[in-house]
Parts: sequence; C-alpha cells; structure tokens
Amino acid sequence: SYELTQPPSVSVSPGQTATITCSATNLGNTYISWYLQRPGQSPELVIYRDVWRPSGIPERFSGSNSGNTATLTISGTQAVDEGDYYCQVWGGSSVVFGGGTKLTVL
Amino acid sequence: QVQLVQSGAEVKEPGASLKVSCKASGYTFTYYFIHWVRQAPGQGLEWMGWINPKNGDTKHAQKFQGRVTMTRDTSTTTVYLDVSGLQSDDTAVYSCARDGEGRGYTINGLDVWGQGTTVTVS
Repeated sequence: SYELTQPPSVSVSPGQTATITCSATNLGNTYISWYLQRPGQSPELVIYRDVWRPSGIPERFSGSNSGNTATLTISGTQAVDEGDYYCQVWGGSSVVFGGGTKLTVL
Repeated sequence: QVQLVQSGAEVKEPGASLKVSCKASGYTFTYYFIHWVRQAPGQGLEWMGWINPKNGDTKHAQKFQGRVTMTRDTSTTTVYLDVSGLQSDDTAVYSCARDGEGRGYTINGLDVWGQGTTVTVS
C-alpha cells in the first residue's frame, strides 16, 4: 500500500506557476489522480493516469509521476484555481488519498 | 448529462443507523463502479469502499468492515450506503463518486461526484 504525503499549503501569485507534490515510496509504479476541492463543493478530477486532463479541465493543469514523487503543476495560476488539492492512488486493496494541499492564490 | 444525485442531510443520534442514496443518470449504470468517500469537518478525504453495480460485489476499507453495507438497485439506478452504530466521529459529508474505469481500480480517477450528504451525529 501507499502512504501519500502532500505539503499542507502552497501559495502562489496570480499568473505564476504553482507546484504541488505528492510523495510515497515507489509512487511512480502506479497511476495517480489529482482532485481540486473548492470551498463548499465536491472534489473535481483534474488529472488522471498521471498526466491526462479530463474534458473541460484547462491546459494550464499538468501532471507527472516518477520515482517517489508525483507533481501537479498549474501554469498561469488563476484565482479560480484556489482550493484544496488531493492526490489519490489505488493502493492494491484500497483507495488512498493524500492529506491534501491548500492552494492560496494571492 | 452524467450525474449522481444524493439524498438530503441527516441528523442522527449516537447508536443509530444511516442510509444514504446515490442516484445515477446519464450513463449505463452497470458499467462503472461507485465509490463512497467521506470527509469529516475540516479534514481530508477518506475512502469507505466501492460497489460494482453490475453484480453487487463490494469492497470495504478495513476500518469500516462489519459496519458499512453498500447495495444497489438496478431498476432505479441507485446505490445505497448503510452505516450502523453511528458515533460522533461519523459526523461528515458522505459522497458517492463514479470510477472512470470499469474495474474499481480508479485508473481513470473518480470522474463524477455526487453533491455530498451532510450527516451529523449528535
């Protein structure tokens, strides 16, 4: 199984690049998904299979996954991107979520 | 459009049982597993388990074994989550989510979410 570690918070200025990491031993051996949860809303899938964006997710969202670290990158971050981001994998017998990263755009 | 619509908020006393429904529409119900995820106030996401709507097979997080039951009704395209023996730490928003891949391994992520059902145990 995996224990996913995320930084509790990340801050970024509008228009800059935000990077959110998710770490676990051998994380690159499995597919990872990323979700954005805006305040008061349900989570929304923004990246799946490490690098793929669902329909409707802006191109400024991208992902990578190698070794022990997966990364969600948001280029040209906008105020609407603010919220909690969660990484998630299938841990072999259960779904595992990271603890979440609060992205602040200021 | 593809959507999952959940039942309304609940207030329960300690020791009571809970039943939350999740009605699917806009896609072939039996093609995609449904997961249940909960989120306590101010906390992160916690996976509870999944159900295969095609045959009713379920898989639970170990923490919830024996206390959680997931069922489905194919005639109404609805899945249900039953939780027994509620305690104050079961206070949370309970959400259903569709597995974007047909085997429950979340390879394509959880691509459609219900609006969440707020459950208060007090």
